[in-house]
Amino acid sequence: GAVVSQHPSRVICKSGTSVKIECRSLDFQATTMFWYRQFPKQSLMLMATSNEGSKATYEQGVEKDKFLINHASLTLSTLTVTSAHPEDSSFYICSARDPWTSGSTDTQYFGPGTRLTVL
Amino acid sequence: AQSVTQLDSHVSVSEGTPVLLRCNYSSSYSPSLFWYVQHPNKGLQLLLKYTSAATLVKGINGFEAEFKKSETSFHLTKPSAHMSDAAEYFCVVGGTGGGNKLTFGTGTQLKVEL
Repeated sequence: GAVVSQHPSRVICKSGTSVKIECRSLDFQATTMFWYRQFPKQSLMLMATSNEGSKATYEQGVEKDKFLINHASLTLSTLTVTSAHPEDSSFYICSARDPWTSGSTDTQYFGPGTRLTVL
Repeated sequence: AQSVTQLDSHVSVSEGTPVLLRCNYSSSYSPSLFWYVQHPNKGLQLLLKYTSAATLVKGINGFEAEFKKSETSFHLTKPSAHMSDAAEYFCVVGGTGGGNKLTFGTGTQLKVEL
């Protein structure tokens, strides 16, 4: 149980284009999903918290107009990197909180990640 | 506020020998603590979690961790390393005061040699 998928696993795009990454909870409903960014050989940095049916909450320093987050259903959140540039190249990982198994804890289940390369 | 410090960026052990990955935490609230493992170009897999129940937590693949409040530590151990254990390990702190947010340590790269 508690499986999270991401699509695509890898994407290469030209500078100036937009890229959409999907995050799905496969066997549970996730009211809250999280988006992280990981640079090579570094830790995960939280970008934003995505709540179903409401606006995402962005961490300090993350441009909300550049990283558009939509959480339209209890099993799907999307991250769109708009007008991507080479410095946006990174590993993007989503996670979801299963309210039934997480309970009062903060347990998050992570997707496999999406490797974005902007040329 | 909460933070976590992983004391070693790299650890190298021989196959069959014990593993110790060190983690210290800081939290204004009663923390939840986790260890996640990440294999190359993969997402994170939950190894184990501490949620104020038993202080010795057993996880998957033979790993365990002990919560020591007096030392603000949550070190990860395994009695006998296997080649497949080679990966990046993250100590993570959460807590109700953090609004369900997780704060990650900088990671420890575990290398297992024959």
